Parts: sequence; C-alpha cells; structure tokens
Amino acid sequence: GAVVSQHPSRVICKSGTSVKIECRSLDFQATTMFWYRQFPKQSLMLMATSNEGSKATYEQGVEKDKFLINHASLTLSTLTVTSAHPEDSSFYICSARDKGTSGSVYEQYFGPGTRLTVT
Amino acid sequence: GDSVTQMEGPVTLSEEACLTINCTYTATGYPSLFWYVQYPGEGLQLLLKATKADDKGSNKGFEATYRKETTSFHLEKGSVQVSDSAVYFCALSDRGATNKLIFGTGTLLAVQP
Repeated sequence: GAVVSQHPSRVICKSGTSVKIECRSLDFQATTMFWYRQFPKQSLMLMATSNEGSKATYEQGVEKDKFLINHASLTLSTLTVTSAHPEDSSFYICSARDKGTSGSVYEQYFGPGTRLTVT
Repeated sequence: GDSVTQMEGPVTLSEEACLTINCTYTATGYPSLFWYVQYPGEGLQLLLKATKADDKGSNKGFEATYRKETTSFHLEKGSVQVSDSAVYFCALSDRGATNKLIFGTGTLLAVQP
C-alpha cells in the first residue's frame, strides 16, 4: 500500500529556534498533502493544505508566517515551525492524497507523525 | 459547517465482547465517510470507508454502514481482541475540490484479556 514517511519522528528544540519537518510519499505521487496538529487526547486539527508547486492554503486561525509550508515536489512537503515556543509543542502529522479506486473519492495516507517539544 | 460527533471514551471491553462506537455527522452535501485507527505511537491508518448511502465498509472484522436517514456511521465488531486496542476516529470528506477530512474527537478502546 501507499506509504508516507515523516522525519524526524521526534525533535526537541529550544524556544526561539526553527524546526523543519519533512513529509514524503514513498511509492506514489502526491499532488496534495495535508498538515495536521494533534493535541494530547484530542482529534486532528487540519492546519493547511499543501499543493505541489503552489502556495499552501491555511485553515482559519493558523499563522502562515509561523508555520511555513513548502511543497516543492510531488513526493515531498515540508513544515517549518519558525521561532518555536513551548505552546507549539505538539504532535504534527502529515498526509498525502492519492486517487482512490472509487472515482472521485480520494484517500489520504498518513505519516507516523512528529513529536515536537519546545523547551 | 460540516462536523463529526463520536462517542467519548474510553471504552473498556473484555476480549471477545461486542463493540459499537457511535458516530454521527452533519454535512451539507453527500460526504464520504471513514473510520481511521491509531495504534499507540503510530500514525493513522484507514480502517474502512463508505462513499454513498447504504454502503457498508468492512475490514479486519469491523463494519460500518452509511445511514443517510440517521446521518450515522457506527463502527461495530462482533468479537474484539486485545490487539484492537487503539484510538478510533470517525471522519468525513466532502466531494469538493479539496476533499478535506473532518475528524471526530476519537474514541479510545481498551480491550482487556
């Protein structure tokens, strides 16, 4: 099946620094990738939709200057958390969309997530 | 806007017990419906899906039927195993250009031997 990887799986950084998280589709091309944030014991919150070769679309309330998204190729999207603060500590999950077998129904394949801790 | 409501957990069951996790949705159009499972320390995996009314999705002994009249997509399994312990998320996807997924809050299932 379709595999999506994320790197790193865990990262600890100091307050004020920037952190880059990579999301790769390993065996398929993904024109669209999604970035989610998951708080402990809560659901996934969509942060932004990333389309290859164009600017990301951010959900309401998500700061685009703080969470920089680059989708430079059909297999790679990156999320950079700039000037990270402790409140940015969270579990970040990406997904990549592949066309399903049911015509217009698109399936999303999820990466294993990245645990970010800002000290 | 579109939304998904699922029962709060945790749900604690003994092995071989029957499972039902309720999920209802609100949508303006005709969404596709999904159940995702998240095992401890892992990312989400698609468990099953249904794309239109009366469709039944099934996988690994789990089933869910797309009920348009009750706007529901309840997850069921006749006999759970310890290995089914995980968090289960109900989700919907609209049929628009973005096909964004909207998730419920997740239900933790703990199966005891």
